Amino acid sequence: DAGVTQSPTHLIKTRGQQVTLRCSPISGHKSVSWYQQVLGQGPQFIFQYYEKEERGRGNFPDRFSARQFPNYSSELNVNALLLGDSALYLCASSDGGLNEQYFGPGTRLTVT
Amino acid sequence: AQKITQTQPGMFVQEKEAVTLDCTYDTSDPSYGLFWYKQPSSGEMIFLIYQGSYDQQNATEGRYSLNFQKARKSANLVISASQLGDSAMYFCAMRGWNTGNQFYFGTGTSLTVIP
Repeated sequence: DAGVTQSPTHLIKTRGQQVTLRCSPISGHKSVSWYQQVLGQGPQFIFQYYEKEERGRGNFPDRFSARQFPNYSSELNVNALLLGDSALYLCASSDGGLNEQYFGPGTRLTVT
Repeated sequence: AQKITQTQPGMFVQEKEAVTLDCTYDTSDPSYGLFWYKQPSSGEMIFLIYQGSYDQQNATEGRYSLNFQKARKSANLVISASQLGDSAMYFCAMRGWNTGNQFYFGTGTSLTVIP
């Protein structure tokens, strides 16, 4: 069975630009969460979606938005990119309970 | 508020020896889950082991075991018979019933296995 997939793998953007990151969860998983991991730190929660509804939002500015599609895949959008947005963006899927989340390989975003 | 603390930025262990990675947590949630993830240099977070707050026995998964001491609010990871491939970052994480599906991660411990 395929795991969580994310695209693209790497991305280089300029300050002020907008970026869209994509995630496909494990088959059968209805919950997708997004995390930002800055170099040297643990992942920080951005969003969680379950059955296409936002179920949680971390302490991130409104420049960050996300959505989940009927097939449970998800997109994370970041507008007006700042240098500080450079990070590894991780997507995780779960069945929606309190069980473990399974992470994708991440998208490494560099803002110059 | 939920908080995970990992006080060991870096650890070294001899190949084939056991090592313990420390994790303490703070939560007001009566029900919660504790998790350990491994992150190799490639970046992907790999799930290792899970402990529920009401589980009576410590969790074990192959060479990984979780030393859960609820009164001390600690959830240390024990890796037995270390292998060179165990060299990676290790993150402790928690999820509480009242905080839904949000995971809170510690700052991680870098483990290096020495041949």
